[in-house]
Amino acid sequence: GEDVEQSLFLSVREGDSSVINCTYTDSSSTYLYWYKQEPGAGLQLLTYIFSNMDMKQDQRLTVLLNKKDKHLSLRIADTQTGDSAIYFCAETGKGYSGGGADGLTFGKGTHLIIQP
Amino acid sequence: DSGVTQTPKHLITATGQRVTLRCSPRSGDLSVYWYQQSLDQGLQFLIQYYNGEERAKGNILERFSAQQFPDLHSELNLSSLELGDSALYFCASSVAVRTSGANVLTFGAGSRLTVL
Repeated sequence: GEDVEQSLFLSVREGDSSVINCTYTDSSSTYLYWYKQEPGAGLQLLTYIFSNMDMKQDQRLTVLLNKKDKHLSLRIADTQTGDSAIYFCAETGKGYSGGGADGLTFGKGTHLIIQP
Repeated sequence: DSGVTQTPKHLITATGQRVTLRCSPRSGDLSVYWYQQSLDQGLQFLIQYYNGEERAKGNILERFSAQQFPDLHSELNLSSLELGDSALYFCASSVAVRTSGANVLTFGAGSRLTVL
């Protein structure tokens, strides 16, 4: 199966909370990341969480980590139209040939659609 | 502006041709990563360079090659282009290699390649 899995689409009403879920496979990942991609732009880091933490909060963003189930979620409170984007979950990259990867392995991204 | 500069932003070419994509990393970053983003495959890691040396290789085709120059800018060369190579190509940079801390990648805006 995929290394990092996410639902492709999530639709929420403006003002509601959005919860984007992700499952990963590498239990040795020490950090897990959330990136945001707006139309026509590159990926922008939103937040990351250390694997020994259960939760991290940063203004409207809350990250929850269930290490036992390898499940990561991103909650966006009071979702606004400006939150419309693709959200990528990422884990520490696997050891590729050439001495190991320092990059990240990304899911396919969740398109967050905001309904007025 | 993320500080990572990619050129060109858009490129249209024909099958069988060769193109070069260029990336200037954020000031002070020694690692450069190349990713390919397509609708069906999501964000695929291609290759990483650190301080001029290849450090890790992902799903990069033999028709593709890259290098990092002494001034730390990087080029991704794509040859014998096929229709399926049409995608967004992202460059990202980070300070160094993975240590015990989070390895935050900063992405450029991407180069959109269309092969006709």
